[in-house]
Amino acid sequence: DAMVIQNPRYQVTQFGKPVTLSCSQTLNHNVMYWYQQKSSQAPKLLFHYYDKDFNNEADTPDNFQSRRPNTSFCFLDIRSPGLGDAAMYLCATSRQGYGTDTQYFGPGTRLTVL
Amino acid sequence: DAKTTQPPSMDCAEGRAANLPCNHSTISGNEYVYWYRQIHSQGPQYIIHGLKNNETNEMASLIITEDRKSSTLILPHATLRDTAVYYCIVRAGKSTFGDGTTLTVKP
Repeated sequence: DAMVIQNPRYQVTQFGKPVTLSCSQTLNHNVMYWYQQKSSQAPKLLFHYYDKDFNNEADTPDNFQSRRPNTSFCFLDIRSPGLGDAAMYLCATSRQGYGTDTQYFGPGTRLTVL
Repeated sequence: DAKTTQPPSMDCAEGRAANLPCNHSTISGNEYVYWYRQIHSQGPQYIIHGLKNNETNEMASLIITEDRKSSTLILPHATLRDTAVYYCIVRAGKSTFGDGTTLTVKP
């Protein structure tokens, strides 16, 4: 089945130690999104790629970066994780990014910062 | 994207219909109403979407008022596995999640 895959499902890092989360998709969708979801809160969009075009949300901290080397893969880099960055990170894809455009979510990566 | 308002929580008896309301009074003409749900510790799952007309699929029905300012998601025969947070989103592009409704289906 076509799907969105996130690895690892659980990630533990130390305060200030860079960490990378990965997402891959077999849907061949143009758009890939990264959301941050803290405990008991709704998912919050960090940024998205439309093909190779990167679109950052205005309130996304500079500490968060992203790479999309090809259609299938997208990475979330946290340069210096703080305790407040502990959260579930969700990757999603969609075909076109506007109009009637369903998002498909991965299972998420739960990040713990020690 | 238009803002949505949902009740924070609802209960439903197993086997009964669950009706989840959503207000989106500032919706514009090209914005679709989408519903997702998120079961604990999983990624959100698409349920259904619509523009003007009522929609039905194997999971649920979506009723949109004629003025499009509100909608209702209907799970016709709720099961325990339907316990989740349900998000109503109005979008013409990227999604902005509101706080959602926590639906608890009870035996």
